[in-house]
Amino acid sequence: DTAVSQTPKYLVTQMGNDKSIKCEQNLGHDTMYWYKQDSKKFLKIMFSYNNKELIINETVPNRFSPKSPDKAHLNLHINSLELGDSAVYFCASSFRGRYEQYFGPGTRLTVT
Amino acid sequence: DAKTTQPPSMDCAEGRAANLPCNHSTISGNEYVYWYRQIHSQGPQYIIHGLKNNETNEMASLIITEDRKSSTLILPHATLRDTAVYYCIVRVRDDKIIFGKGTRLHILP
Repeated sequence: DTAVSQTPKYLVTQMGNDKSIKCEQNLGHDTMYWYKQDSKKFLKIMFSYNNKELIINETVPNRFSPKSPDKAHLNLHINSLELGDSAVYFCASSFRGRYEQYFGPGTRLTVT
Repeated sequence: DAKTTQPPSMDCAEGRAANLPCNHSTISGNEYVYWYRQIHSQGPQYIIHGLKNNETNEMASLIITEDRKSSTLILPHATLRDTAVYYCIVRVRDDKIIFGKGTRLHILP
């Protein structure tokens, strides 16, 4: 069974559209994250939720809105997509207070 | 910004030990050293972490100098599947992970 899964794996869309990426973890973790990896391969944290509460919110445009319906899910909704949003988005999860984070396979978003 | 310095790339022959260095001269007393790796097109994978003692698990060993200003990740018998970007990270437990540029390790057949 996949520990951290993301859907879709690939997403191609046009500028101005609104899209969502979904993440689910079956590890029983209480904390989930979204990371963005741009074309230069820099990996940066965007958001973190603990027990459905936002605990990390980096400087991210408010077009990005995370939603955590429960501890096992963290979705990312992006409004008015821009070319610069093209990247690979990774979801991760962990137990708060533990050391390791488990990452999903990534969602490659291409905005044309 | 990342608090670590790593060589941009390294080569290692298959079957040999791969030793990946990391400098973290400004590390604080309560910051841990973590290592993650990212194999091409996959999500990062946790490898190991340590505070001040040397650590070993099924994947690797972590050697931290006595002054804690540098460390070395050792993959004892590198295989082609170990080709990846390796990230050395220092952080307080529970804090966010800040990834630097990492070291691109090439395992040569």
